[in-house]
This record gives sequence, C-alpha cells and structure tokens, in this order.
Amino acid sequence: DQQVKQNSPSLSVQEGRISILNCDYTNSMFDYFLWYKKYPAEGPTFLISISSIKDKNEDGRFTVFLNKSAKHLSLHIVPSQPGDSAVYFCAASRPYSGAGSYQLTFGKGTKLSVIP
Amino acid sequence: DTGVSQNPRHKITKRGQNVTFRCDPISEHNRLYWYRQTLGQGPEFLTYFQNEAQLEKSRLLSDRFSAERPKGSFSTLEIQRTEQGDSAMYLCASSLAGRDYEQYFGPGTRLTVT
Repeated sequence: DQQVKQNSPSLSVQEGRISILNCDYTNSMFDYFLWYKKYPAEGPTFLISISSIKDKNEDGRFTVFLNKSAKHLSLHIVPSQPGDSAVYFCAASRPYSGAGSYQLTFGKGTKLSVIP
Repeated sequence: DTGVSQNPRHKITKRGQNVTFRCDPISEHNRLYWYRQTLGQGPEFLTYFQNEAQLEKSRLLSDRFSAERPKGSFSTLEIQRTEQGDSAMYLCASSLAGRDYEQYFGPGTRLTVT
C-alpha cells in the first residue's frame, strides 16, 4: 500500500519554462511534506518543505503548494535550468506520536529532464 | 565538509557473508536514520536512533540486520548472512532535534550481493 504516490515517472521541460511535479498521499495523518532532489550516485538532497497548516511555501525558484482536501502537493520550478535535471522525491511525515514518528515515507520519484 | 558521510560507498559481497556499513552524521544532529532504496523505488525507512538509543525499527529490518550507535555519534549497520535480495542502496540521514522532519542524507552505500 503506497501512501505517497508520484504517478509520473518522468517529465521533460524546456529550459526557462515551468516544471510542475506532482505528488498525492493517502494518509491523512501526514502533517509535513518535503521534496528531495537526487542526482545519480548521490544521496537525496533536501530541497523544500511545507507544513500542513500552510498551503504554499516559496524558496527562490522553488514553490511547493499543498491542497489538503485533495491530499495533493506539487513542486513548481520556475524558471527551469539544465542543472535541475535529477530525480525528485516527495516525502511525508507524521507528528510525533510514538511508533511511525519521524520516519519519512517517500514516493517513487519523478525524473526531471530540463532540455537546453 | 560537514555533511553526512558513509563508508564504504560500494560493497560487493558473496551471498552468506556478513557486511558492515558506517555512517557519520552531521555533528550537532542527535537523530540518525537508516533507509534502504532499491531500483525504481523511493527510500524506505529501516530504523532510527535518538542519541545512542534505537527507538524504532521497521518490519523490513529482519533478524539478520542490526544497527548500533554506541556513543551517540557514528552508527553502524550490519547485515549477517547476506542474501541477493539485500542488494540495494543503504542511506543514512540525520536531523537536528526540533527540526526532525528535515533529514539530511549521506551519499549512501551501494551493496551488491552476488
């Protein structure tokens, strides 16, 4: 049972355009969401996060939107750059309540290719 | 470099052998996590330490797996009697108390069991 789903395995975008990566979750207990970027042969790198009490968080070219009622979040990258080409993972966490706390639950990732 | 480090980066072993991996977290981080990632999947949680105490273990962590963090600093993950299904990337992450959701990952150890 996959609690965090990234339904698009890959996405190609022209340099300078917007990249939109999507993520859906099923567990309503999740209260914090994160995006990680991963290059080959490296570990995931933390990119941006959002608490469930917000619907938007922005950091430079990266914006994460959260729609709690739809259990959906998205990552917008504007403008996209060739260096953004990587696998992007959506992750979710629950508030501390004993078992299962602090662990991140990841989606399968979306491979973004930004074409020059 | 003050990031999370892992050693070795690659390990090839024969089925049935024991292997041990090491993780050095970011120095001021008191929480340390182990995850496993297989091809085409996202990282999956294995276990987590707060200082030297192992507080949680996933059902993915069979009896052949053991993790330690003896002095609350570095951690080791040992796999006994390796099986081909253990082949994966083993990732370590650490976080600062109070910012536990933001976990910082090391480069991983890629294990291949032949």
